Amino acid sequence: GAGVSQTPSNKVTEKGKYVELRCDPISGHTALYWYRQSLGQGPEFLIYFQGTGAADDSGLPNDRFFAVRPEGSVSTLKIQRTERGDSAVYLCASSFRGEAYNEQFFGPGTRLTVL
Amino acid sequence: GQNIDQPTEMTATEGAIVQINCTYQTSGFNGLFWYQQHAGEAPTFLSYNVLDGLEEKGRFSSFLSRSKGYSYLLLKELQMKDSASYLCAVVDSNYQLIWGAGTKLIIKP
Repeated sequence: GAGVSQTPSNKVTEKGKYVELRCDPISGHTALYWYRQSLGQGPEFLIYFQGTGAADDSGLPNDRFFAVRPEGSVSTLKIQRTERGDSAVYLCASSFRGEAYNEQFFGPGTRLTVL
Repeated sequence: GQNIDQPTEMTATEGAIVQINCTYQTSGFNGLFWYQQHAGEAPTFLSYNVLDGLEEKGRFSSFLSRSKGYSYLLLKELQMKDSASYLCAVVDSNYQLIWGAGTKLIIKP
């Protein structure tokens, strides 16, 4: 079956612009996670969805970041007024039910570059 | 605060054995994951430990000691394709994954 997919794979934008990053999780996975990863660092948690609702958004750095998952499947991470410090690889992961022992399956990531 | 410590980089020889250590201090503990990440790729699952002891899976084994806040990943019969970063991640009391910065493993022929 298909794994987690993310689009676009690369996004270059200018400071101050708005961007949307899309994640298609594995079919049947109710839990969906967004992370961002900088070079030489581990993933940094942003937000976790269980179904359609954001169960934990404590990792979103500020109100410029927002994510939705309206139908409990595809999710979109939205970043307003992008800043150079937002440049990173944005990873999406899904897991079967979000239980502690459920492994997370990661997508290939979107590399965001803010000029 | 929450903290996961791993060595930044390790070097080993093809065919040898290497042990990558991870120590953690987190608010609660609901298990520890090891993931492998090749350069420019997404992390992929290697192991999950929640009870003390050694879990063996082919060439890879993972050990956990909850009382010491310590885990290690043991890789045997190293192959060149094992060159990658190895990430330790702990599930905390909020069921959130807290990630280490990863250990870059370099395999030399």
